[in-house]
Parts: sequence; C-alpha cells; structure tokens
Amino acid sequence: DVKVTQSSRYLVKRTGEKVFLECVQDMDHENMFWYRQDPGLGLRLIYFSYDVKMKEKGDIPEGYSVSREKKERFSLILESASTNQTSMYLCASSLPMGLYGNQPQHFGDGTRLSIL
Amino acid sequence: DQQVKQNSPSLSVQEGRISILNCDYTNSMFDYFLWYKKYPAEGPTFLISISSIKDKNEDGRFTVFLNKSAKHLSLHIVPSQPGDSAVYFCAASPFQGAQKLVFGQGTRLTINP
Repeated sequence: DVKVTQSSRYLVKRTGEKVFLECVQDMDHENMFWYRQDPGLGLRLIYFSYDVKMKEKGDIPEGYSVSREKKERFSLILESASTNQTSMYLCASSLPMGLYGNQPQHFGDGTRLSIL
Repeated sequence: DQQVKQNSPSLSVQEGRISILNCDYTNSMFDYFLWYKKYPAEGPTFLISISSIKDKNEDGRFTVFLNKSAKHLSLHIVPSQPGDSAVYFCAASPFQGAQKLVFGQGTRLTINP
C-alpha cells in the first residue's frame, strides 16, 4: 500500500511566522502535490512537482512556496503566515501517467493548520 | 470558476438502498475522472475511476457512470452500508503529464439504519 506521511496532524502558528509542512511518500512516486481543503470549496491545488527540484504552480499558489530536494519528500512553505491560510493541508503523490496510464493520487491524512 | 461541481452538499439514504452521487464538469479537456471518499480527520481515499473512453466502470458495490455529452458523472453505491457514511469528492483531470486534479466541493453521504 502507498503510504503518504505528513509530519504534523495539528499545528498552531502566529501571523507572520514562516511555516514548514513536510510530506514523505514511500512508493517512489514521481508526482507530488499540495492541496488545501476548505468547507464548501473542496480541495484546491497549491503546487505540484513532477520530479526532483521541479515545481509548478497550481490554482492558488499565492503566499506559498515549495521545495523538493529528494524524490520522496515535498515541503510546503508559508513564507509569512496569515490568518486566511488557516486550513486543512493535504499532500498527495502519484505515478506518472506517461509510463503507467491514468493513475490516481494517494493522500496523506492532512495537517490542520491554525494561524493566530 | 468552478470547473467541477457537486450540487448536493448532503444526501441521506437508508441502509440497503442505492446511493447516487452526482457530479458535473465544464471543461471538455477532462478525460480522467475519479471518486474519493473522506472520513473526518483522514485524508481522501481513492475509490474508483473512469477514463473518457468508457461510460461505465464497476468495482464491487461501486459503479461510476460517465455521460460525456452531458458532462456528467455519477457514483452508485449498492447496497449502501453504514460504513459508507463519509464525504465523497469527485475529481477530474485533463490528459497531460502530471494529471492535476480538479475537485468538486464534496457531498456528505449519511446512511441511516
């Protein structure tokens, strides 16, 4: 089974802090993704990466950055946390479509982040 | 602009009956569709998918139907069980490399005994 592990289940930070959310997958997946989930809005893509050191903006990248130095690890960074970034953050990984055909994404259990 | 819409925020079904969850999309470039199930305090779990070359895919109690002309998909659960109570998200992806998913808002399904 695919295992996607997010380092914290709950996190409380203050406005203006730099916040790091970590995600590790154990299935050697090329693709990794960061989403946030808000009530009534579903999951929205923040950033994704299809290879080490490669990253692309998703639908709502403002206020966020990412880092992928190793294949198994994908970090989301809130450069200067604001209260509107209080949310559930979900990491996912998947195999590349090119080699394997359509592939589902597999999710971690999420980090509930509160910015005070 | 919501490209994937689940117009029913909630659905209540009696145990043993059929649950039908609906999803509409607007982007004709989408060609891969998925359903995820989410329990509270857990991440979404992949349930079933369908590619645009098919109109039906079945896996046990779960069947997904795709109507490309109507840009509509549905998930049927038969028979519904109490453990099916969860939030269900549909998602869609265009035919391209990293297969970015676009999610609907979710439907909370409650199965009543």
